[in-house]
Amino acid sequence: GAVVSQHPSRVICKSGTSVKIECRSLDFQATTMFWYRQFPKQSLMLMATSNEGSKATYEQGVEKDKFLINHASLTLSTLTVTSAHPEDSSFYICSALRLATGQLRYGYTFGSGTRLTVV
Amino acid sequence: GENVEQHPSTLSVQEGDSAVIKCTYSDSASNYFPWYKQELGKGPQLIIDIRSNVGEKKDQRIAVTLNKTAKHFSLHITETQPEDSAVYFCAATTGAQKLVFGQGTRLTINP
Repeated sequence: GAVVSQHPSRVICKSGTSVKIECRSLDFQATTMFWYRQFPKQSLMLMATSNEGSKATYEQGVEKDKFLINHASLTLSTLTVTSAHPEDSSFYICSALRLATGQLRYGYTFGSGTRLTVV
Repeated sequence: GENVEQHPSTLSVQEGDSAVIKCTYSDSASNYFPWYKQELGKGPQLIIDIRSNVGEKKDQRIAVTLNKTAKHFSLHITETQPEDSAVYFCAATTGAQKLVFGQGTRLTINP
């Protein structure tokens, strides 16, 4: 089945540094990827939508200069948290839109998430 | 934009009993309604989904029903087992193919 590999699963960084999170679609082409943020005991909140080869679209209230998204290929999207602060500590999850091909109807495949802790 | 409301926020049932989680959505144009199970520290896993041209779908112990007129859909889990304990999220698509999630339901199965 469709798999999205997300790395790293956990990362601890110092305040002021940047952290990059990668999501790769392993067996399908993901023209669209979504990035979510999830605080403890809360739901997934969409941060941005990225389309291969174009600029990401950010949801209201999400700082595009702080959360840099790159979707340079059909199988790779990255989220870079720049100048991280403790309040950026959260669980970040990517999701790839899988278009309908053959017998497979369109759907969404999620990565396993990245636990970011900023100290 | 789309708004998805999910109830209850917590649900505790005895092993072997059934569990029902309900969601309502606001955008009548939404056409895809997945349900996800999320275990601690992991990403959401799709357990069942339904599209707007279908009223009910079943996969073993799990079923989903959709009422487009009332704009609500429900997850039904029968013969619950301890491994069903997790947080469950409903979601609905917007016209931009974005998934909007409900608030989540923490399901606990008591042995």
